[in-house]
Amino acid sequence: DMKVTQMPRYLIKRMGENVLLECGQDMSHETMYWYRQDPGLGLQLIYISYDVDSNSEGDIPKGYRVSRKKREHFSLILDSAKTNQTSVYFCASSLPPGNQAPLFGEGTRLSVL
Amino acid sequence: GEKVEQHESTLSVREGDSAVINCTYTDTASSYFPWYKQEAGKGLHFVIDIRSNVDRKQSQRLIVLLDKKAKRFSLHITATQPEDSAIYFCAAPGGNYKPTFGKGTSLVVHP
Repeated sequence: DMKVTQMPRYLIKRMGENVLLECGQDMSHETMYWYRQDPGLGLQLIYISYDVDSNSEGDIPKGYRVSRKKREHFSLILDSAKTNQTSVYFCASSLPPGNQAPLFGEGTRLSVL
Repeated sequence: GEKVEQHESTLSVREGDSAVINCTYTDTASSYFPWYKQEAGKGLHFVIDIRSNVDRKQSQRLIVLLDKKAKRFSLHITATQPEDSAIYFCAAPGGNYKPTFGKGTSLVVHP
C-alpha cells in the first residue's frame, strides 16, 4: 500500500528545544519533500531531497535542517525551535520530480510555546 | 522560481452545479500541473493532474484545462456533491522541479 507516514502527528515543544520530525515512505521514491502549511500562506517548500545525502534548499530553509541517510526516511530538524515555527508540517515523496505529483503524508501539527 | 496564483480563495456552489477553480503560473518550463484536495485536519490528497503536452484531461466528474499561452490552468468539478466540499490546491513544478503551490480555494457545496 503506497503510503507516506509522518511521526509524530502532534507535538508540543517549548521555545529553544530541539525538534525532530520523521517521515517514511514504502515506495522507494527517490525524491522527498518537507513543506509547512500556514493559514493564508498555502504550502511553502522547506527542503527537497533527490536521494540519500542529496538535499537542496526550498523557499524557506532558514531555521531548519534535514537528514536523509536511507531512501525511505527523511527527517526535518529544528535546532532551538522558535514560536514562529508553529505550523503544520507535511512530508511528501515522488518519483524523480517532473514525472509524478508528490504523495503527501497526513502532517505533523507542531506547537512551539 | 515558479510562482503560482490561485484566483479564488473561496467558492460556494449549490449541489449539482459546476465549480471552477483557476490558477496561473509564471515558469514556462513547468511540465505538469497537479491538483490536490484537503479535508479538515488531513493531508493533501492528489485528485488529478495534466501534462503540458495536452490541453484537456477528464477523470469522472473532474476536468482540467491547460492554456499554455496564457499560462493558466483550471479545475472544473461537474455535478458537485456535498462531499466535494474541501480546500483545493493547484501546483506547478517550475523548471527546477520544486513544486510551488497556490494558496488554496475553499469550496463549499450547499445541499
